[in-house]
Amino acid sequence: SYVLTQSPSVSVAPGKTAMITCGGDSIGTRDVNWYQQKPGRAPVLVIYSDTGRPSGIPERFSGSNSGNTATLTISRVEAGDEADYYCHLWHSRSDHDVFGPGTTVTVL
Amino acid sequence: EVQLVQSGAEVKKPGESLKISCKISGYNLMNYWIAWVRQMPGKGLEWMGLIYPNDFDTRYSLSFQGQVTISIDKSINTAYLQWSSLKSSDSAIYYCARGGNSSPFDYWGQGTLVTVSP
Repeated sequence: SYVLTQSPSVSVAPGKTAMITCGGDSIGTRDVNWYQQKPGRAPVLVIYSDTGRPSGIPERFSGSNSGNTATLTISRVEAGDEADYYCHLWHSRSDHDVFGPGTTVTVL
Repeated sequence: EVQLVQSGAEVKKPGESLKISCKISGYNLMNYWIAWVRQMPGKGLEWMGLIYPNDFDTRYSLSFQGQVTISIDKSINTAYLQWSSLKSSDSAIYYCARGGNSSPFDYWGQGTLVTVSP
């Protein structure tokens, strides 16, 4: 099975930039999606297909994907960005969807 | 407006059966997969499996194969997740979501809390 890795936590000061990484074997060859989940709420899609941003998601959220690492970048971080963030992809070889373990973003 | 509305919280005993639902509206059901995702208390998201309403093609995670059944009733636009014999370890929040199988999960239900306790 395909395994995704994420750092458990990231801390960032308001106004600064948070970078959340998702590691996987040749992940750069796959489409990666990112979800934000706030406590007690359902996940929300914030980035799709590596760099796409759904309607209503601020431009402060961006994504990239190359080699063995996909990255979600949150610019000009705000208190409201505090949440868990999960990467996700579809692994064609196993025909399974896979989630990363999640990263908790704390705004200092 | 796309909406996935899930059934309410359940409290069950080990060994009991359960079927939770996800009522879908706002788009053509046939064109998208519907997935189920588990979130155990304080833990991350786990993909359980999904179903394609157009032809009932169903896939399961190896971790959940044989443990749950995913189904859909196209006549009432409702997807289901069911257990024949619950365990305490099935206590979790379960989400339905539109997408999967090469598509992002772009719409989610609000979640159904399942508590299994003696």
